[in-house]
This record gives sequence, structure tokens and C-alpha cells, in this order.
Amino acid sequence: GAGVSQSPSNKVTEKGKDVELRCDPISGHTALYWYRQRLGQGLEFLIYFQGNSAPDKSGLPSDRFSAERTGESVSTLTIQRTQQEDSAVYLCASSLVGGVRGMGEQYFGPGTRLTVT
Amino acid sequence: AQSVTQPDIHITVSEGASLELRCNYSYGATPYLFWYVQSPGQGLQLLLKYFSGDTLVQGIKGFEAEFKRSQSSFNLRKPSVHWSDAAEYFCAALTDSWGKLQFGAGTQVVVTP
Repeated sequence: GAGVSQSPSNKVTEKGKDVELRCDPISGHTALYWYRQRLGQGLEFLIYFQGNSAPDKSGLPSDRFSAERTGESVSTLTIQRTQQEDSAVYLCASSLVGGVRGMGEQYFGPGTRLTVT
Repeated sequence: AQSVTQPDIHITVSEGASLELRCNYSYGATPYLFWYVQSPGQGLQLLLKYFSGDTLVQGIKGFEAEFKRSQSSFNLRKPSVHWSDAAEYFCAALTDSWGKLQFGAGTQVVVTP
């Protein structure tokens, strides 16, 4: 596709269950970012991938959060034992190259709205 | 601490009127600065960016922004808003060599007839 896609668009889960959120970046983009947007707040950085490696995981809020990326394409964000405070929109972005060389120009997907009941 | 602040949570403007959204940053050096727009049900779209040079930058959809170092500000403007400009607007700064963006809390813009 032409843009970044994410699935599912909406996910409702019970507290304590695990969830997987998927991101398909723009083809050829080597850098991939995950952000979280809580209601009424700005975006919080979660993790950055350059290729398949994640040099910056500093934004992951707890060890219940993990992410992986395969083949410089699809990335999966996994949240284990979900809590109500995990409810948010999770946004994925990709960039042709990472870091400052990418000039910060990130292309965002539509997000996955996660609701933990 | 490094931060991006958008003082206005919500702005209401009449169609055809001018719009100015405020953004202040707190960084030691001049960061790379961005404005994004988020329309309902859509991802964020880049409106414009500032790296260096001319302090007045032009973006898409008729928006422009002015960087003022003395005020640590990067305000977004549009001379005449259209109903389709109703959305949430985010100011962001590039904070490190990994390309991490730090976002302000956003400003919700409502356009009235």
C-alpha cells in the first residue's frame, strides 16, 4: 500500500489478556517508530527500530511491553497482561531513514485504538 | 527537561477567520521542529518542518509557521480557515539522534460556520 497501515483498527480486551498490534510500514522505509496516545494527551514515544534492531527502547513503560520487527517490514507490538491504563491509541510511523538523517519526517498510520475493560 | 508546550487545548474559530496556534519548546539548542495535523480517524499528517535558515516556513494546506528563537516559539498560522481545517494539531521536536519526536499535548481546533 501507499501508506503505513495498522491492524486491528480497534481492539477491546479484558484486563489480564495479551494483545498484539501490527504495523506495516511504507515499503523501503528502514526506520519504524511506535507511539502511544492517551486520551487528551500528546504522543509518547515507545520504541524505535532501525532495520530489525531496536536501538532505543527507552519509552516502553514496563516489561509487559515488547516489540519486534522482521525483515525491515512488519512490526508487532505486544502487551502482556493488559491493564486498564494501557488503554490508548497506539500509532506506528515509518521513515525512509532513521535518526537525524531522516530529518524527522515520519509517516504515521491510522493507529490501533486499544480498550482494556 | 526538554519539552514541547502547546498552551491552548482548544480553539474555536469562524470559517474564513485567521488562525494561530502556539507552540513553545524548551531545549538547549535549536531543535528540529514540526507541526502535524490529525483529522478524525486518520493518522498524523506532516504540515511543515523547520530545521534552519529562513525562520518563516511554508507548509501544505496554506499553513505557515514562524520560528522565533528569542521566544522559543514555533507558532502555526493560517490566514483564512476552512471547515476542513477542523482537527487536532500537534507541535513536535526532534530530540535525539535516533529521530525520536517529542510532541506537545495538542490543540483541538473547531471551525464554526
